[in-house]
Order: sequence, then C-alpha cells, then structure tokens
Amino acid sequence: NAGVTQTPKFQVLKTGQSMTLQCAQDMNHNSMYWYRQDPGMGLRLIYYSASEGTTDKGEVPNGYNVSRLNKREFSLRLESAAPSQTSVYFCASSVTGEGRDTQYFGPGTRLTVL
Amino acid sequence: GENVEQHPSTLSVQEGDSAVIKCTYSDSASNYFPWYKQELGKRPQLIIDIRSNVGEKKDQRIAVTLNKTAKHFSLHITETQPEDSAVYFCAASSGGGADGLTFGKGTHLIIQP
Repeated sequence: NAGVTQTPKFQVLKTGQSMTLQCAQDMNHNSMYWYRQDPGMGLRLIYYSASEGTTDKGEVPNGYNVSRLNKREFSLRLESAAPSQTSVYFCASSVTGEGRDTQYFGPGTRLTVL
Repeated sequence: GENVEQHPSTLSVQEGDSAVIKCTYSDSASNYFPWYKQELGKRPQLIIDIRSNVGEKKDQRIAVTLNKTAKHFSLHITETQPEDSAVYFCAASSGGGADGLTFGKGTHLIIQP
C-alpha cells in the first residue's frame, strides 16, 4: 500500500515550457486535491476533485489545468510555465463524509521555473 | 472564502515545557479543523483534528480546543520533546474537507534542549 505517490520528485523548466505533474493513490479515496506550498505562505489549494468525473477550482487556479483520469489518478498541468509557479506541489486524497475527512499527502514535487 | 490566521509564526520553548499555537477562522460554516506537522523536506502529516460538534480532543501529549463562538481553535503540546521540532499548520474547511482545506501560514516550533 503506497498511499499517495507523485512524479516527478524534482523538475526544472524554462519559462513558457509545459509539463504535467502526476498523482496516484491506492487507498480507494474518492476525493483528490492539488496544493502548492511557498515559503511563508502555508499550503494553498489549486484544484480539487470531489469524485471521479468532477473538478473544481480552489484558491489559486490561474495558470493550471487538471484531469481526473480515473478514481486513482489526478494530474496537474502547467501549459506555459512562469517563474511565479516555482513552488513545491503536493497532491492529497481523502475519503469524505461521515467523519472520514482526513487528507493524506503525497511526497511533493519541487518545481523550479527559470 | 475562508481565511485562517495562525500565531505565532515562530515559537521557541524549553524541552519539557508546553507549547500553544492559536488559529482563527472567518467562515462560520467551517466544521472541520485539522492540524498538520511538517518536518523539513517532508510531506504534511495529520497529527490531530476536531469537528465543530466537539469542544476538545486529546491524543496523548497533544490536544486541540475549539471555540465556535469566537471562531478560534488551538493546539496544545505538553512535555515537549526534541522530535516535536517542526512546522505546524492549522486548517479549516466548511465542507467537512471535501472541498479542500484552507491553511494557516504555519508555526515553526523550536524545542530548546
């Protein structure tokens, strides 16, 4: 049981390049999330998917797109990377409802945009 | 939307003493309040959470209190140990967590030997 996994662990991009961050969970969770973490800013929600087939914007969605590929996988795409998107990106998943709301986080992807 | 304020940003205590971290939230509909611990270079990990129908919850040396009227909640760590040194984040959610969490900016807890 690997929990929440993310690839890649590290990535360096040039301004304007695109890339997709991958996230998968093997806990049969219905909800998945993408957060970014910047120094002194805590974690901020980018997008979330409450169930397979649905996605919604979070606090900071501009410049990102997401795909809930199936129940296990939730990807985050940067179409044209900008230096302001340099951050650590965390994926999380949870079983929601009936008090089972704990979010479990992946190990993170450290992204640098030059 | 929800706004979560967390204080202090840095807290230094002597080993064995207690530490208290405080958070306030703005959305009266918030009903789920988790606390996460993050060590340097690692992922956030849940240490305790509380729901709006409960005023206090304890787990060994860790406790969380919630005051819905004042819209604030606090983390209490007793008998602090060196391994408690980390950054702690509070968070809040109005959808029980399903629509994501709003985090505070974190408290760097330093345990002095």
